[in-house]
Amino acid sequence: DTAVSQTPKYLVTQMGNDKSIKCEQNLGHDTMYWYKQDSKKFLKIMFSYNNKELIINETVPNRFSPKSPDKAHLNLHINSLELGDSAVYFCASGTVDSPLHFGNGTRLTVT
Amino acid sequence: KNQVEQSPQSLIILEGKNCTLQCNYTVSPFSNLRWYKQDTGRGPVSLTIMTFSENTKSNGRYTATLDADTKQSSLHITASQLSDSASYICVVSAGTGGFKTIFGAGTRLFVKA
Repeated sequence: DTAVSQTPKYLVTQMGNDKSIKCEQNLGHDTMYWYKQDSKKFLKIMFSYNNKELIINETVPNRFSPKSPDKAHLNLHINSLELGDSAVYFCASGTVDSPLHFGNGTRLTVT
Repeated sequence: KNQVEQSPQSLIILEGKNCTLQCNYTVSPFSNLRWYKQDTGRGPVSLTIMTFSENTKSNGRYTATLDADTKQSSLHITASQLSDSASYICVVSAGTGGFKTIFGAGTRLFVKA
């Protein structure tokens, strides 16, 4: 009965490949997010999405794209992976006034 | 520029001792401030949330304070336990459109037996 689940937990791939990370939430939240946690441990928002609006952090390369098949899912697609994309990616969900609920992260390693 | 700075960067304490973590922010206009606990290999979990009018909020052995005038917050942990070893992240939300949530880099707490 995990609230926010993301898969895979670990992802190792080579430069230039295309990969996806899946995220699902069963909390009924209307907004989902993707965050990137770099080696300095800062969590930086990449996307915010609800059924009305997608907000993209302008610093995120367009190689990254979120896809939401329905309200409970927000997947992250990454094209032409680069070494600098190596990080831990967290999916989260929430409502306007509630704390964010995070998944346990996907550690992406690009070689 | 909206920023959240936390101190210390890391902290080692003995089991049973108390400790206080600090958070200074320049986010404006202020909406709310949250403290999260992040265990190694896990996602952050919310501990407390405070709005402008709240000065203190407790969650078990965790007590958060907020001074909206000086834009400072602290998280006090009482009678620490080994399971308190984690990163503690201060998160401040602004009341404007776009990306409203700014995360601090966290304080890494190590509790030793």
